[in-house]
Amino acid sequence: SQQGEEDPQALSIQEGENATMNCSYKTSINNLQWYRQNSGRGLVHLILIRSNEREKHSGRLRVTLDTSKKSSSLLITASRAADTASYFCACRSGSARQLTFGSGTQLTVLP
Amino acid sequence: DGGITQSPKYLFRKEGQNVTLSCEQNLNHDAMYWYRQDPGQGLRLIYYSQIVNDFQKGDIAEGYSVSREKKESFPLTVTSAQKNPTAFYLCASSPVTSGDYQETQYFGPGTRLLVL
Repeated sequence: SQQGEEDPQALSIQEGENATMNCSYKTSINNLQWYRQNSGRGLVHLILIRSNEREKHSGRLRVTLDTSKKSSSLLITASRAADTASYFCACRSGSARQLTFGSGTQLTVLP
Repeated sequence: DGGITQSPKYLFRKEGQNVTLSCEQNLNHDAMYWYRQDPGQGLRLIYYSQIVNDFQKGDIAEGYSVSREKKESFPLTVTSAQKNPTAFYLCASSPVTSGDYQETQYFGPGTRLLVL
């Protein structure tokens, strides 16, 4: 079963705008990660936020985590055409030795 | 995709045939994983291995088999029992840190399997 579910499923914005993607999960987590996938390629790790953290930054990326609402958001600021990709959240829960991935948000940044 | 290679990039399977997908990593990671991705979907875990000569079933292991004879290698066999094998297959690895389980996963470029 899917632990993380992203919203929206697809997002189209103009270059320079900010893009926000959301992830909801069902059970308590140890950490939540965001990955990026270019079409037909493998996934690339973007950022990890632990359950005791509320916000984390990495370059143009900002991730928030609200454990009371069981949700996370990924904000990409000043988007570029090269940011066009699918973005997935992945959760690790309890003693689980694996990540559970959501179904992803397809982001299109128009030049 | 650095450090993990998958081959071939495209693979064609005939009815009743077993095929093997290769995954090799030079990152010295203990843990390795196989995922299946269907169009427009997320990743589903097939098998994972925390250490050489040991592996565990994931959510969709039926019709697949793996081996882990070497730390660097984790091949996946898609058997004839897998009736709908057409998908994009991704291999990943991660370090197993002491006091905690693996964190970040590093992915290979994927193999696309098609049925003739």
